[in-house]
Amino acid sequence: EPEVTQTPSHQVTQMGQEVILRCVPISNHLYFYWYRQILGQKVEFLVSFYNNEISEKSEIFDDQFSVERPDGSNFTLKIRSTKLEDSAMYFCASRLAGAGAGELFFGEGSRLTVL
Amino acid sequence: AQSVTQLGSHVSVSEGALVLLRCNYSSSVPPYLFWYVQYPNQGLQLLLKYTSAATLVKGINGFEAEFKKSETSFHLTKPSAHMSDAAEYFCAVSDLAQGGSEKLVFGKGTKLTVNP
Repeated sequence: EPEVTQTPSHQVTQMGQEVILRCVPISNHLYFYWYRQILGQKVEFLVSFYNNEISEKSEIFDDQFSVERPDGSNFTLKIRSTKLEDSAMYFCASRLAGAGAGELFFGEGSRLTVL
Repeated sequence: AQSVTQLGSHVSVSEGALVLLRCNYSSSVPPYLFWYVQYPNQGLQLLLKYTSAATLVKGINGFEAEFKKSETSFHLTKPSAHMSDAAEYFCAVSDLAQGGSEKLVFGKGTKLTVNP
């Protein structure tokens, strides 16, 4: 069964360092998302991406964050200068163009620890 | 703003017993509602969704949920728990039905333990 894959599964970084989290969405999906979950808190929406541009972003997604689809398969989340509060599990998701709202396929997540 | 409240961060049941996971939503417009499940070391997987058709929605693995507007609830049930149901369950809401945002607003999750 096709799946969304994310790398790395766990990354430890120093505060102020840049981090890139990578995702390979399901190949025929056209909508892409990043969500995150801080330990013990809710899964929160960060950003949605369609047709090579951001379609929606949350207040969390400030200038320190960016997303990119550098080629036909990868979808990346970059955090320019990490802060302690960026420590979280980051989930990538994708969906078909014709799929209904909320029918997302999620990856297993990338755990980011900022020291 | 929409929100979801899941009552009980941990629920423990015996194998074969009824599973009831509670979810209440807050939305100013008729919502779309979802249940997702996360098995250990896996991503979130859609269990079922309500999109204003039938109020009783059947999902995968024998789960179902009933949309009750009067109670603003969307509780998840399964008549007989199986050991393989042990996982974390997330309720979520979006207001795309009303032309609003498609982003999902999640609850905090309920961890289900099934005892032999």
